[in-house]
Amino acid sequence: EADIYQTPRYLVIGTGKKITLECSQTMGHDKMYWYQQDPGMELHLIHYSYGVNSTEKGDLSSESTVSRIRTEHFPLTLESARPSHTSQYLCASSQTGTGQPQHFGDGTRLSIL
Amino acid sequence: QQPVQSPQAVILREGEDAVINCSSSKALYSVHWYRQKHGEAPVFLMILLKGGEQKGHEKISASFNEKKQQSSLYLTASQLSYSGTYFCGTGCRETSGSRLTFGEGTQLTVNP
Repeated sequence: EADIYQTPRYLVIGTGKKITLECSQTMGHDKMYWYQQDPGMELHLIHYSYGVNSTEKGDLSSESTVSRIRTEHFPLTLESARPSHTSQYLCASSQTGTGQPQHFGDGTRLSIL
Repeated sequence: QQPVQSPQAVILREGEDAVINCSSSKALYSVHWYRQKHGEAPVFLMILLKGGEQKGHEKISASFNEKKQQSSLYLTASQLSYSGTYFCGTGCRETSGSRLTFGEGTQLTVNP
């Protein structure tokens, strides 16, 4: 059973606010990922990390930033939210090694007014 | 580059079979299959690696054709619980298959 948690589950907030989406996993996985997914659409990788102090940008350009100070924690921050940031954000983690599945959190549905 | 999934949508009656395809223009190292129900997180089904395949579930299996750079997911004797959107995610050798690019998804509906 995957143990990866995202908070908040839903967030409705005004333009210009600073937002941090939390993601934590208790499985000791080194690899963690952030995806952006619009309703009914595919997942786009926006950030990933292969371990502490390691972060890389994904395939989809994003104005968000991430940090990885602890293995279990991979927060995503938007310094100034805009309506174009409205989407669902999914966090995932996987073990190191070839052919490891990714375990997803329940996601954060973000709506910027 | 994003893999291409087909069909985009399929409607079945309970007990019928379905095949979902995933094709890539790049050499594949690994293919992951996930199912996502509305409002929920994607759930891992199985992984296929270059040179082999893994069977994740009893009535859901998959194949991996390296030469054709494609994978197919087979759902047999479909159940109502199979409804959802199926995504393939492809990985490349440079990242040992861990960094995935997902297809647009195939929406599967199973009716009684």
